[in-house]
Order: sequence, then C-alpha cells, then structure tokens
Amino acid sequence: AQTVTQSQPEMSVQEAETVTLSCTYDTSESNYYLFWYKQPPSRQMILVIRQEAYKQQNATENRFSVNFQKAAKSFSLKISDSQLGDTAMYFCAFMKHGIGGGSNYKLTFGKGTLLTVNP
Amino acid sequence: DTGVSQDPRHKITKRGQNVTFRCDPISEHNRLYWYRQTLGQGPEFLTYFQNEAQLEKSRLLSDRFSAERPKGSFSTLEIQRTEQGDSAMYLCASSSEGTSGYRGYTFGSGTRLTVV
Repeated sequence: AQTVTQSQPEMSVQEAETVTLSCTYDTSESNYYLFWYKQPPSRQMILVIRQEAYKQQNATENRFSVNFQKAAKSFSLKISDSQLGDTAMYFCAFMKHGIGGGSNYKLTFGKGTLLTVNP
Repeated sequence: DTGVSQDPRHKITKRGQNVTFRCDPISEHNRLYWYRQTLGQGPEFLTYFQNEAQLEKSRLLSDRFSAERPKGSFSTLEIQRTEQGDSAMYLCASSSEGTSGYRGYTFGSGTRLTVV
C-alpha cells in the first residue's frame, strides 16, 4: 500500500513571495503519477500540477513548479509570486500508473497543508 | 459542460435515517469515483466505477453503503441507517484517459453530510 506524508499542517507566506510545500511518499511501484491538488475554502478540489514518475524533468504550470526526487520519494510544490487567491488547503496525492492495465486510478492523499497568503 | 455536479450540497439527517447523494460526472468521462473527507484529513477512497461497472470498493464502505452507476452516466451513493460517524464531506470525481496521458480527476463540490 502507498502512503503520502505532508509534514507541514499549516504554512503562511507574504503576497508576492515564494513558498515550498513538502510531500514525501512511500511505494514499491516504479511507475506512478504524483499530483498536487488545491482545495480553496469553497471546498472544490482543483488540480494544480501533475508529474509522471518516469519523466525526470520537473513539471511546471505557470507560477507552480515541483521538485521531484524519485530516489528520495520526495515531491515538493513551489509557488512563486504568491497571490491571495492561493490561500487554500493543498493536498499531495499518489496514483499507480495505468500502463498495461495495472492501475485502478485510485488516488492516495496526504493530510494536506493549509497555506495562507497574507497581504 | 459544467463539470462534475453533486446534489445536494448539504444534508442534515437524523441518526438511523437513509440518505442518497447524486453525482453527475463530465459526460465524456468513463471513470467515476467516490471519496469521503473528514475534517482535517485528506480524502479517502470509497469506490470506483468504470462505465457502469463497480470495479473496487474500499473496506471503509460498510454494508450500509451502496453505490450505483446505471447506464454509466450519473451515480448515486446511498447510506442506510446513518450513524454519527458518517458525518463527512462526500466527494465525487470523474476522469478519463487523454491523448497526452492521464490528466487527473475533476472533482465536484461535494455533499456535506451531518448526522444528528
């Protein structure tokens, strides 16, 4: 079974600054996806960024980027130029890869990090 | 397409009553998932459908829980004889394989259940 650990229950950052959220995971799988989801106070979960484990290049989406260290099983999220709208709960999640039909596309989530962006 | 819709948004029920939630996924998505999220926790997997077939159920899904997805479209999650421990946010999500690889879930806004 996979486990996902987010060791920072809460973090805060000043508007326009950069913040990094940590995530570690444990798995015996070699092919998998990793995701960061954002859950604003309205509660709808939104996909922020995804990473395929076989790709060495770190994923980026505008102000969001990841530092994926496969050997260390670490998957941190960096938010640059933080905005007030980034205030939300952030969840790291793991999914076994679907190649060859070996995935049920089930997500395993961490407990989340509550990020507050201060004006 | 307006995304994944869940109804109702909030439900308060007395212990012992039955409740049913509905989820309408994105129309072209063939996979549908139910998750449960309690306060301060990440979502936990409950069950998963591919088209109309229920392919996996979590151990969290006791005999009081049943889910259906007739005709591979909308899905319902029913909880019979509700208990206070069932109080949670119930999230529905849908997904499909894209031409550029798996794109991840689209979640609904959830149904918040309170059992009193």
